Amino acid sequence: AQSVTQPDIHITVSEGASLELRCNYSYGATPYLFWYVQSPGQGLQLLLKYFSGDTLVQGIKGFEAEFKRSQSSFNLRKPSVHWSDAAEYFCAVVPPGAGGTSYGKLTFGQGTILTVHP
Amino acid sequence: DAGITQSPRHKVTETGTPVTLRCHQTENHRYMYWYRQDPGHGLRLIHYSYGVKDTDKGEVSDGYSVSRSKTEDFLLTLESATSSQTSVYFCAITRAKKGTGELFFGEGSRLTVL
Repeated sequence: AQSVTQPDIHITVSEGASLELRCNYSYGATPYLFWYVQSPGQGLQLLLKYFSGDTLVQGIKGFEAEFKRSQSSFNLRKPSVHWSDAAEYFCAVVPPGAGGTSYGKLTFGQGTILTVHP
Repeated sequence: DAGITQSPRHKVTETGTPVTLRCHQTENHRYMYWYRQDPGHGLRLIHYSYGVKDTDKGEVSDGYSVSRSKTEDFLLTLESATSSQTSVYFCAITRAKKGTGELFFGEGSRLTVL
């Protein structure tokens, strides 16, 4: 079945440390790829997205993600984590070739909860 | 701020009762979506709408219905609530005409079915 997987349910890092959150997808072709962040009690906010082109994508809040076709991955990274980055992070995809109404029909991963220690 | 308001924000109800959640947007967007969020499942699409009176089913539509009689309002109805429908429900819109997959979310409606 076509899906998106976030292998890590919960990650804990120290403030100032680097961060990498993993995301893998299983589709025959490259889907549109997204990372969203959800702070407690809030809705989700888009961090970054990949449709095509440069495989290293820059997003908001100092995050970046790298698309690797050979590994079917789209991992999120940040060089130095701040306490305010503590949140839940979701990888999401829109299947390849989607258009029209499909643009908002995202398939989400299970989420990764990030805890930041001072 | 995407101009999305969800109501109610919190609701506790009993099994078998009907429940309607409302999503109101102020920016006249065509596409609107209802997702539910459950631990271990991320977000899953329930129903979506691509215009007034144009709606379609998502991945987990059983037990839910929707209506969109005005551009600004998208209603999600649980005809007879069950405990498995205890969840946080999010409304979302896409902004661009063609859509880029970027969803803008409301703040959620937490529903507890006892």
